[in-house]
Amino acid sequence: DTGVSQNPRHKITKRGQNVTFRCDPISEHNRLYWYRQTLGQGPEFLTYFQNEAQLEKSRLLSDRFSAERPKGSFSTLEIQRTEQGDSAMYLCASSQRGGSGNTEAFFGQGTRLTVV
Amino acid sequence: GNSVTQMEGPVTLSEEAFLTINCTYTATGYPSLFWYVQYPGEGLQLLLKATKADDKGSNKGFEATYRKETTSFHLEKGSVQVSDSAVYFCALSIVETSYDKVIFGPGTSLSVIP
Repeated sequence: DTGVSQNPRHKITKRGQNVTFRCDPISEHNRLYWYRQTLGQGPEFLTYFQNEAQLEKSRLLSDRFSAERPKGSFSTLEIQRTEQGDSAMYLCASSQRGGSGNTEAFFGQGTRLTVV
Repeated sequence: GNSVTQMEGPVTLSEEAFLTINCTYTATGYPSLFWYVQYPGEGLQLLLKATKADDKGSNKGFEATYRKETTSFHLEKGSVQVSDSAVYFCALSIVETSYDKVIFGPGTSLSVIP
């Protein structure tokens, strides 16, 4: 297993455009998290999935943001009508809870979004 | 609520100097504590962790001890190298809840000069 994979690594988009990021978690992990990290700050929690169910959304996740994990495997994070304030690193993490055992969260390399 | 506070950076040290990065937390419940490291242009990597009071996490010469009485988890290394230059994040996770999202501190940037 190669760990948590995120694509693309970098995305530059014009203000007002829609963007979609993908996260492939570690294959046996049932939990998947999205975080946002702005320059000079720690990552901030956005949302969380247990298998395909989205169980929590942060207030940071405005109605322009939507995340899915349709089959309980990979996840997508879409931002509609991007704004310059959306420029950040978007991090995905996965973990396993229950079943075969519990693990800490493993993070991907992130997708760096720049809105111009 | 749950939160993590770290000493502000940036921290600049000479090679082979002793490193301490202070971290304190507040938590409802009994958290696990972590240090993550982020090298330039890369994602987060778990550096070390401790899951209960008085546990010591260690990795790559770094150590941190879970101190419940002072709600602290300070990161130390006896002799830093240039390759340790990175941003270090203290974090916690409340494992007895139904989910275990990680809550991060603001990060401390470390630069080690030859």
